Amino acid sequence: SQQGEEDPQALSIQEGENATMNCSYKTSINNLQWYRQNSGRGLVHLILIRSNEREKHSGRLRVTLDTSKKSSSLLITASRAADTASYFCATGNRGSTLGRLYFGRGTQLTVWP
Amino acid sequence: DGGITQSPKYLFRKEGQNVTLSCEQNLNHDAMYWYRQDPGQGLRLIYYSQIVNDFQKGDIAEGYSVSREKKESFPLTVTSAQKNPTAFYLCASSIDGSQETQYFGPGTRLLVL
Repeated sequence: SQQGEEDPQALSIQEGENATMNCSYKTSINNLQWYRQNSGRGLVHLILIRSNEREKHSGRLRVTLDTSKKSSSLLITASRAADTASYFCATGNRGSTLGRLYFGRGTQLTVWP
Repeated sequence: DGGITQSPKYLFRKEGQNVTLSCEQNLNHDAMYWYRQDPGQGLRLIYYSQIVNDFQKGDIAEGYSVSREKKESFPLTVTSAQKNPTAFYLCASSIDGSQETQYFGPGTRLLVL
């Protein structure tokens, strides 16, 4: 399979706690992206990390990439009820002729007030 | 406002009927994509267009057809050959056909009567 796999499938936490989601993949990549989807809506791009980068921050989001382990993690700090959504990783695979992204199945995050 | 619009929000299909889902973007993006989303299966690529008058099949193109006559528009037709069309359909665009950020529309939910 060329797509990433998120872990866990579902995560439930209290407001104020940190949420960590992981993505593993099997091929060599050019970049890895994280997207968020609220129920019944389209996906929204959160952050892109390139294969030569190890860590990236955006507001309360922190993404790490370990190409030797073929894995990435998304950390949301001080979570809020509004962070409740599904989170997907997507990989831009090296050698992909179409320039396409491969999406995982997502982690469903629920943040309780 | 720049963005991607999809219509209708909900669509009902009868047996043997072809239906067309609309996708329009005013972001001046070259590349456009159609994905199908089923519960627990993430996003699967149906068709992809890198430039006007050109498109390629994705992983699940059977039973679907597209056209790309204008840069702004990438309609998807779900034909009667698609035996299990009930799903959430997402259209996306990116600035070019590379593996950069994709911008998603709000989606169309297709239901079979």
